[in-house]
Amino acid sequence: QVQLVQSGADVKRSGASVTVSCMASGYTFTSYAFSWVRQAPGQGLEWMGWISAYNGDTKFAQNLQGRLTMTTDTSTRTAYMELRSLTSDDTAVYYCARTDHGDNPFDYWGQGTLVTVSS
Amino acid sequence: QSVLTQPPSVSGAPGQSVTISCTGSSSNIGAGYDVHWYQQLPGTAPTLLIFGNNNRPWGVPDRFSGSKSGTSASLAITGLQAEDEADYYCQSYDSSLSGYVFGTGTKVTVL
Repeated sequence: QVQLVQSGADVKRSGASVTVSCMASGYTFTSYAFSWVRQAPGQGLEWMGWISAYNGDTKFAQNLQGRLTMTTDTSTRTAYMELRSLTSDDTAVYYCARTDHGDNPFDYWGQGTLVTVSS
Repeated sequence: QSVLTQPPSVSGAPGQSVTISCTGSSSNIGAGYDVHWYQQLPGTAPTLLIFGNNNRPWGVPDRFSGSKSGTSASLAITGLQAEDEADYYCQSYDSSLSGYVFGTGTKVTVL
């Protein structure tokens, strides 16, 4: 069965960077892509960006471009999301989700990783 | 920023039906991109509920159905059950933003 297991909760200071990992199992890793989605406390879902596990192509939300890096490691079947120059507005639960190209759905989700940014 | 608008909340008694709207524009739903719906139970990650406008993943009850017309989409829940109390989000692709977009989210309360 498809599983996405994310790294644990993290606390960062303002201005720091955070990296969240997402280990996939149960399917052919390079046949799909990952989207990263975040949810601030009490708020809705915000799409952050997308990375192809096949060729590393990326697409980022305009408001996060410049602070965001996404990578994948085929050998460990893991996707990574790095967000830099953190502020309190980045405090959120971060999710990875499996998807495909085009307007396909996010069919499997990780359990979420709480990132808290303190000043 | 959410470019798909949903009502903040809807409610119904057990057994009743509710409908959640998702209003977009000509750069997303109206451009022909598929709409997907997600259910988020309290304290958990979202799960895919409806894909490709009106298709249910395996295991999703047929009480849930989706539709799309013009620049809007809808999610209907019939025979409301206590376990349906959750937040629901629509999602599509937006060509102006060159990215995916979520709806503002709707909290369903079972009275």
